[in-house]
Amino acid sequence: QVQLIQFGAEVKKPGASVKVSCKVSGYTVTALSIHWVRQAPGKGLEWMGGFDPKDGETIYAQKFQGRVTMTEEISTDTAYMELNSLRSEDTAVYYCATGIKVGAHTSYYLDYWGQGTLVTVSS
Amino acid sequence: EIVMTQSPATLSVSPGERATLSCRASQSVSSNLAWYQQKPGQAPRLLVYGASTRATGIPARFSGSGSGTDFTLTISSLQSEDFAVYYCQQYNDWPPPFGQGTRVEIK
Repeated sequence: QVQLIQFGAEVKKPGASVKVSCKVSGYTVTALSIHWVRQAPGKGLEWMGGFDPKDGETIYAQKFQGRVTMTEEISTDTAYMELNSLRSEDTAVYYCATGIKVGAHTSYYLDYWGQGTLVTVSS
Repeated sequence: EIVMTQSPATLSVSPGERATLSCRASQSVSSNLAWYQQKPGQAPRLLVYGASTRATGIPARFSGSGSGTDFTLTISSLQSEDFAVYYCQQYNDWPPPFGQGTRVEIK
């Protein structure tokens, strides 16, 4: 069974960058489609992007294009999400999740989730 | 981009009663619709995919229905552990957005 392990919390200043990690257990990271979803305090879920192994590409939500990078480190089975030029509105819990694709032209629903990493952006 | 709209925003239900949650897509998503449950301080949990297929380990009191643009999640007899926020998500197209959520609270 897949487990996604995320650690605690980060505090960053406006304008800085944050790199959130997601350790995969029970599978290799290359066998999975890892996606990132964030949730601002008291708000709903916001899909940020995810890796599509069929095309070998990472697809980002338009809102985050140019500011986010999602990568994988094969040697440690860890996925990363780096968000740049942080602002207060980026304060949120950032979740990684595994995606399931059901058709050639569909996107993904998310079955396994990490416990989330709280990123606080404050001066 | 497809927009998902959930209603109502909050649903007050007594334990043992039935809860019906709605999700509408701005254009057809076929049956490519998932439902998630989120309790305070926890990550979301997948409940239903393919509009009506329960995920592994999800009790039979949860049932999903619908196709195209209109979907329903029904909880047949609410248990104390079911009070939570529920989100729908379409995955028929990119990006795969979530609805804004329905909070199910104790009446």
